[in-house]
Amino acid sequence: NAGVTQTPKFQVLKTGQSMTLQCAQDMNHEYMSWYRQDPGMGLRLIHYSVGAGITDQGEVPNGYNVSRSTTEDFPLRLLSAAPSQTSVYFCASSYGQGVGEQFFGPGTRLTVL
Amino acid sequence: QQQVKQSPQSLIVQKGGISIINCAYENTAFDYFPWYQQFPGKGPALLIAIRPDVSEKKEGRFTISFNKSAKQFSLHIMDSQPGDSATYFCAASIMNYGGSQGNLIFGKGTKLSVKP
Repeated sequence: NAGVTQTPKFQVLKTGQSMTLQCAQDMNHEYMSWYRQDPGMGLRLIHYSVGAGITDQGEVPNGYNVSRSTTEDFPLRLLSAAPSQTSVYFCASSYGQGVGEQFFGPGTRLTVL
Repeated sequence: QQQVKQSPQSLIVQKGGISIINCAYENTAFDYFPWYQQFPGKGPALLIAIRPDVSEKKEGRFTISFNKSAKQFSLHIMDSQPGDSATYFCAASIMNYGGSQGNLIFGKGTKLSVKP
């Protein structure tokens, strides 16, 4: 099992550019989520999904879109990048919402100039 | 906004000492309290977790103490080692619950440095 994989590991964008952060898991987990980690702010939930075709907003959803067409994949899209979106992004998955351990990916470090 | 408040923000401990990190929560419906450990450049990983039906859970050198009446829980690392140097996050959620309360709410993290 590869667990939770994320690509790319690093990315630099210019303000206004768009991009998609990829996340995939091979554990057949129903629940997937995206967090951003900023110094002194902990892990803040951006969006989450309880299954294919179902997504919902977390604490800080503005500027981000998600979709869940398959159980395995949960991409995060930045429509028009802003410097405030400079952060480290983590994808995570678990068997179900509020059920036990969440497995985190290795993260994507994004810089928006 | 539901919160989990974590302290201290940073902690320096000598090798062999006890590291203690504290968290407090507001929502009395929370019934799952995990601690995650994160090494630099890595994603967080589950370290230990507790349900409110017990007051303490121990796994090796790591212990969670839980005080339901005070709405507080803490992580104790006994015989701290340089390899324990990492950022630790507490979290809380409602297990098997749909909607936003089923999501983990994380504290802001504690950066632990264990000096040799």
